[in-house]
Amino acid sequence: EGQLVETGGGLIQPGGSLRLSCAASGFTVSSNYMSWVRQAPGKGLEWVSLIYSGGSTYYADSVKGRFTISRDNSKNTVYLQMNSLRAEDTAVYYCARTIAIIIGNAFDMWGQGTMVTVSS
Amino acid sequence: EIVMTQSPATLSVSPGERATLSCRASQSVSSNLAWYQQKPGQAPRLLIYGASTRATGIPARFSGSGSGTEFTLTISSLQSEDFAVYYCQQHNNWPLTFGGGTKVEIK
Repeated sequence: EGQLVETGGGLIQPGGSLRLSCAASGFTVSSNYMSWVRQAPGKGLEWVSLIYSGGSTYYADSVKGRFTISRDNSKNTVYLQMNSLRAEDTAVYYCARTIAIIIGNAFDMWGQGTMVTVSS
Repeated sequence: EIVMTQSPATLSVSPGERATLSCRASQSVSSNLAWYQQKPGQAPRLLIYGASTRATGIPARFSGSGSGTEFTLTISSLQSEDFAVYYCQQHNNWPLTFGGGTKVEIK
């Protein structure tokens, strides 16, 4: 069936950087679309970033220029490099396998999430 | 950006009863809508995509309908494991956007 395991979250000061990792098992990340979706405490879901199987990447306006999604095919792992972090980036960050539907994408497998807290 | 609005915010239902959740898009998303279930402390789970197609392993008591700007998720007979928060997500336009959620609680 497959599994996603996120690591790398923690407490970071505003302006700092953090790299999240998402290790996949049971399927190959390079053959799939992969996304990061976040959820602020007590709030709803927000799509953050997507990497297509071909390598193209997309970002929400709220993180564009600060976050970078990438993958290491040899490790079957997806990353989210987060720079210039702000208090409003505080959230649980989920890694999600992303399926292509006739139009658009949805998220059919999710990790357990990793908490990122941006605070001084 | 397409804004997704869900109603009601909270729905109180007795086990065995029918639950009807609504999702409205700020502009037409055709039939490109997904539904997710999230239980406390857990990741979301995909229930429905394409407005009415159940994801793998999702019980038949979950059904989705609608098109354009108005969508409905129906749970025909609520089981104890169905009490959770439900989110809709449009997959018609970038960025992909979610609704604010409907909490289904035990009456």
